[in-house]
Parts: sequence; structure tokens; C-alpha cells
Amino acid sequence: QVQLVQSGAEMKNPGASVKVSCKASGYTFTDYYIHWVRQAPGQGLEWMGWINPKSGDTNYAQKFQGRVTMTRDASIITAYMELSRLTSDDTAVYFCARGTVYWGKGTLVTVSP
Amino acid sequence: SYELTQPPSVSVSPGQTARITCSGDALPKKYAYWYQQKSGQAPVLVISEDNKRPSGIPERFSGSSSGTVATLTISGAQVEDEGDYHCYSTDSSGNQGGIFGGGTKLTVL
Repeated sequence: QVQLVQSGAEMKNPGASVKVSCKASGYTFTDYYIHWVRQAPGQGLEWMGWINPKSGDTNYAQKFQGRVTMTRDASIITAYMELSRLTSDDTAVYFCARGTVYWGKGTLVTVSP
Repeated sequence: SYELTQPPSVSVSPGQTARITCSGDALPKKYAYWYQQKSGQAPVLVISEDNKRPSGIPERFSGSSSGTVATLTISGAQVEDEGDYHCYSTDSSGNQGGIFGGGTKLTVL
């Protein structure tokens, strides 16, 4: 069965960076895009971008351009999302998703001094 | 910038039909997807490509799209259908960027 297992919760200071991982299993990793979506407390879902695991091509939401980097390591079937220059507004649960169907359980990132 | 607009809340009694709309200028050309999300959980896809129901989703969930409005219909809503519903689509600019609506809280009581 398809599974996306995300890394654990993170607590960061303002100005720092965070890197969240998403390990895939149960399917051919390079066959499906990985999307990253976040959800701030009490808010809706926000699409951040996707990565094509086969080519490494990425597409970022304009809001995150220059601050987000999505990468992958196909040898360990893992995708990564790194967000830099964190502020308190980046406190959210970050999800990875395989296409539109399968989602990880989310990673809570808390930004606080 | 492109937006998808949903009502903040919808409320129905058990057994009634709940309809949640999602408005966006690109919807005539782009598919809408619907997710159900319960508190503290990841979203679950309930409708894909405007009107396709994934395996395991109850038949009471259906989707439609006409013009700039996509609609999620829950026929005979159950108490367990309470939660937040999010529509998702892609923008029309050709860069295949995604976008979510603001979400709708469904109350069934």
C-alpha cells in the first residue's frame, strides 16, 4: 500500500531554516509528482509547490519563490522540502502528498523565539 | 492572483442534502478536486476530476461542475460527515500551479 512517512515535529527560531522529509513506499517513486501543502493553525490548506521525482523539476507557488527548495533522493525514495528565513507566520503543519490522492500525516513546524 | 472561493460554513440536519460550492474563473477549463478533513488529520480525497468518487468513498458523495462553479453534494448527510471540506484545482496560467479554496466547515446536527 502507498505510504508517505514524514519526519517529526520541529521547533525553530525566527530566521532559521527547516527541512522536512517525506519517505515514500508502496509505489514507483519516480512515477508521481510530490506536492507540498501547509496548514497554519485554524486555517485552510495552502499549496506550496511540487517536485517531479524523475527529473527533479520543481514548480513553486509564487508566495514561496526564493524561500522554498524542494529536492528528492530517489536512491532512498525520499522527497524534501526546505523553507528558509522562517517567521512566526510559517508555524503550520506541512504535508507531502503523492499527486492528489495519498497524503503523509503531516509535520508540525513551530517558529518561536 | 487566481482564487477559489468557498462559503465558510454550511449546516444541515442529518439526512438532508448538503451542497458546498467552489467558485473560480478557471474551473470551466480545470478540474476540481474535493477533500474532507477532520480535526488533526490529513485531508482525504472524496471527489476527483469534478465528479469521480475514489474507491471507498460512500455513494452519498458526488461532485459536479458547471461554468465557474464546482459543487460537492452530500446526499443524506450523516453526523460522521462533519468536518472541513476543501476544493482544489490548478490555475489557468499554464504553469500547473495548484490552489485551494478557503475551506468550508460542514456541520451536521
